This record gives sequence, structure tokens and C-alpha cells, in this order.
Amino acid sequence: GAVVSQHPSRVICKSGTSVKIECRSLDFQATTMFWYRQFPKQSLMLMATSNEGSKATYEQGVEKDKFLINHASLTLSTLTVTSAHPEDSSFYICSASWGKEGADTQYFGPGTRLTVL
Amino acid sequence: AQSVAQPEDQVNVAEGNPLTVKCTYSVSGNPYLFWYVQYPNRGLQFLLKYITGDNLVKGSYGFEAEFNKSQTSFHLKKPSALVSDSALYFCAVRPGTDKLIFGTGTRLQVFP
Repeated sequence: GAVVSQHPSRVICKSGTSVKIECRSLDFQATTMFWYRQFPKQSLMLMATSNEGSKATYEQGVEKDKFLINHASLTLSTLTVTSAHPEDSSFYICSASWGKEGADTQYFGPGTRLTVL
Repeated sequence: AQSVAQPEDQVNVAEGNPLTVKCTYSVSGNPYLFWYVQYPNRGLQFLLKYITGDNLVKGSYGFEAEFNKSQTSFHLKKPSALVSDSALYFCAVRPGTDKLIFGTGTRLQVFP
């Protein structure tokens, strides 16, 4: 149980284009979803937290107009990287939790490798 | 500032030997503690967590972790390592309902 999927697993795009990444909780309803970014050989950096039906909460330094997050249902959240640039190339990982409590486990998706040319 | 430390970038152990991956933290209050494992080019897999109660927590794949409040540590352990345990391990701490704070990760290499 507690499976989270991401699509696509890998995407290459041209500079200036937009890319959408989907995160789905397959066997549970996710009240809260999180989006992280991981640089090579580094830890995860939280970008934003989204609760179903409400606006995402972005971490300091993350541009909300550049990284659009939509949590339209209890099983789907999307991250859209708008006007992507090479510096946006990274490994993006989502996680989902069925609750909002601190003890609730976050279950992670397999990640999406974004390469912007 | 709240932080999580994984003092070893890499831990090497022979197959069949016990392993320990260290984690210490500096956060306010009584946080929730987690261990995750990451295989190459994959997301993180949940191993175990400590919420309250018994200081020894058992998790997936034979892993366990010991919570030590006085030392603010949450070391990951396994009695007998497998080559397939080779991966990147992350300790994470969550102060209340605040965000998860991750350590920098420890690469475990198990040699046959």
C-alpha cells in the first residue's frame, strides 16, 4: 500500500517551454502533497506544500509564478515549470500524505528527471 | 536553526555484518523521526518512523532504529547487512506539523 506515482519519469525540453509533472497517490487519498527538488548528491529541498482544494504554500525563495502547483483532487497534484531554463534542470520528487499531522508518513514518488536544453 | 546531521557520507560494511547509519538532530520540542532509503534515480522509500513509546522501532527489510532522547540521536541499524541494502539513506525529522528536515544522506555500501 501507499504507492505514489509520477509522470513522466524523464523529460527533456527546450528553454522557454513549460513542463507539467503529475503526482498521483494510487491507493490512498492524499490530503497533503509535497514537491521537492533534489540536486546531484544532495538532500531534498522542499519547494511547496499543497492541500487539496486550496492554494499551495511555497517555501522561501521558490517562485510561485514559475512553479505552478495544482492539487485538484485527493489523488492528483501537478507541478508546472513555466518558461523553463537550464538552471531548472533537476530531479523533482513529490510525496503524499493522507493527513496533516506531523506523525503522518510522507510517501514519495519515483521522481522526474527534468533536463532543459 | 533546526538541523539534522548524518556525520558519515559513506558507510562500508561486509555482507553479513551488522550495520549502523548515524543520525543526530537539533530541533525544538519532541519531533517525529523518519528513515528513508533511496536507490539510484528513484524516489525515497519509507523504512520506519518514531512517534512515541518504545525507543526501538522496527521497520521494513529488517531495519530498526533506536531513539535516544538525551543524545538526540536516531541511528539506523540492521543485524546482518545484505548487498542489496547498498543505497543512499536519509534521516528526516519533523518538528510538529512543520516541514520535514532531511539530513544530507549516507551512502551505504555492502561488500560481498
